[in-house]
Amino acid sequence: AQSVTQLGSHVSVSEGALVLLRCNYSSSVPPYLFWYVQYPNQGLQLLLKYTTGATLVKGINGFEAEFKKSETSFHLTKPSAHMSDAAEYFCAVSNYGGSQGNLIFGKGTKLSVKP
Amino acid sequence: EPEVTQTPSHQVTQMGQEVILRCVPISNHLYFYWYRQILGQKVEFLVSFYNNEISEKSEIFDDQFSVERPDGSNFTLKIRSTKLEDSAMYFCATMVHPRSGEQYFGPGTRLTVT
Repeated sequence: AQSVTQLGSHVSVSEGALVLLRCNYSSSVPPYLFWYVQYPNQGLQLLLKYTTGATLVKGINGFEAEFKKSETSFHLTKPSAHMSDAAEYFCAVSNYGGSQGNLIFGKGTKLSVKP
Repeated sequence: EPEVTQTPSHQVTQMGQEVILRCVPISNHLYFYWYRQILGQKVEFLVSFYNNEISEKSEIFDDQFSVERPDGSNFTLKIRSTKLEDSAMYFCATMVHPRSGEQYFGPGTRLTVT
């Protein structure tokens, strides 16, 4: 079975500081990995995804994540936080080969950005 | 840009009543999903649907739940007899094909069972 662990339910950074949101996954087969963002009272928006190929993936709004198989991690980073980045971030895993692509989500990390 | 739409945005119902949540997928998408998010908790997979049948379902998706695509456009989730614990945000998601990996989510329907 697949699972996702997000370390830290709440992360607070200052505007302009590095953003690092941690995600570790468990999967018996090569995973597809995703980061989604949820703004208050809105749906989920895809930030970036890893399927195959290059392990460093770039997404929207300046975010990027690196797939590290040896560490079973897919941490999300952004060099310089902006006030508009305040939202909840969800890491997710899916197993295309073994299913119809349904996503298994972590519990989410709420990012606060201080001026 | 094409988007997934969901109606209603908020549904209040009494315990024991039936509710139908509706989703209009992006037009060329073939794979459909329902997820739910209980307030303050993570997003949970309910069911996937392809070629007019359920592909996979979670333990949450018991006999009280059903899905269908009655008219080739709307994709619906029916809860036959709602319980208090069904109160949650329900998200529809659609995808061209699992190989693309990218699911597009609707804005959600907030279901409140009283």
